[in-house]
Formats: sequence, structure tokens, C-alpha cells
Amino acid sequence: DGGITQSPKYLFRKEGQNVTLSCEQNLNHDAMYWYRQDPGQGLRLIYYSQIVNDFQKGDIAEGYSVSREKKESFPLTVTSAQKNPTAFYLCASSRSGTSGRRLYEQYFGPGTRLTVT
Amino acid sequence: GQSLEQPSEVTAVEGAIVQINCTYQTSGFYGLSWYQQHDGGAPTFLSYNALDGLEETGRFSSFLSRSDSYGYLLLQELQMKDSASYFCAVRDRDNAGNMLTFGGGTRLMVKP
Repeated sequence: DGGITQSPKYLFRKEGQNVTLSCEQNLNHDAMYWYRQDPGQGLRLIYYSQIVNDFQKGDIAEGYSVSREKKESFPLTVTSAQKNPTAFYLCASSRSGTSGRRLYEQYFGPGTRLTVT
Repeated sequence: GQSLEQPSEVTAVEGAIVQINCTYQTSGFYGLSWYQQHDGGAPTFLSYNALDGLEETGRFSSFLSRSDSYGYLLLQELQMKDSASYFCAVRDRDNAGNMLTFGGGTRLMVKP
């Protein structure tokens, strides 16, 4: 079955530590995204990538970094510079294109709930 | 910039019809989509409107009026499993690339 996997489901870290969240997809999608969701809030875009070896900052990229070395993988690193990293992190993918249903139909992974104390 | 407004919470009874509104302000517009998210789960795509009018998919319908910068999601024959958060999302032409902006979400509670 095709889909997006994120691991782990729950992650606990001490303040000051960097942590990397995994995201893998086997949908053969070109575009991948990382979102942050805080309790009772909408999704805010952190980074996105339309093609391997290329990625763009979203609305809240400060304190985060990404890489896109393979089409299937788009890991997110939450660095110690992120002031409030505790949140629910969602990875998504979509077919490439600049308009139309292909862009709007994003497929999401199950998410990683990160708690930093 | 861009902004989307939707009610924070809506309550309805099983079997009823409910409408969730979304108004948006964007400098450009390519279309409006809706996503459903159950508590602790992943958002799932529901619908997409690029042109004015109503799109129907089973019990769910979505409407768009580009002249009014307004859309809504209509849920009919409500079931308990429809209790979830619903998000509208748009793409602003000013964004470089395929970025979506999501609204804050509407929490729908379906009561017996």
C-alpha cells in the first residue's frame, strides 16, 4: 500500500538538543511538505520541496532545517534555535504542478508529536 | 499576505445538515480546498473548488464564490464519525511555489 510514514509517533527531547523527524513516502510524489500544528490551531508551513535537492522556506522556517537527497525522503531537523518546538509535526506530499487539483490534494502522514522539556 | 476566516466551533445533531463557512483574503487565487482531521490524526483531503459553484461528493458538498471570496463545506445526514476539525486552504499567487495557507479550522461536534 502506498502512503507516507513518519517516525516516531511520539518524541521527547531535552531543551538545547537538535532532533530529526523522519518522513518517507512511496507515492512517487515530487512535492513534499512539513507543517507544524499547535493545539486547536491550523497548519502552518515550515518547509516544502518540489524536487530532489531543492527546497523552499515556508512561513515559519526559523529554527528548522530540511534536506531532500532522495525523492522518497524529506527529514526535518528541529534545532536548538527553535524557541518553542513542542508541537505536532505533519509531513505531506503531492503530485507536482503549479495549479489544479494536483496541488490541492496533499496526502498527510500520521504525524510526530514532539515534546521538549 | 493572505488570511482565512472560519468559525472555531460548530455543533449539530446526528442526521442534520451543517454548513462550515470560509472567507479568504488573498492577492491571487487558484482555488479553495477542504480537509478533515480527526483528533490526533492526519488531515485528509475532502474537496477542491477552482470555479464558482457547488461540487458534490456523496454526503459532502463544497461551494465557492470567487467574487465574494467565500466558500463553504456542506455536510448532510450527519453521522457521529463526522465529528472532527475541518480546514479550508488556499494558494496565494504571491507565494513562490506550491504553498498552501490553511485556516484555523472549525471543530464540528455531532451530538446524538
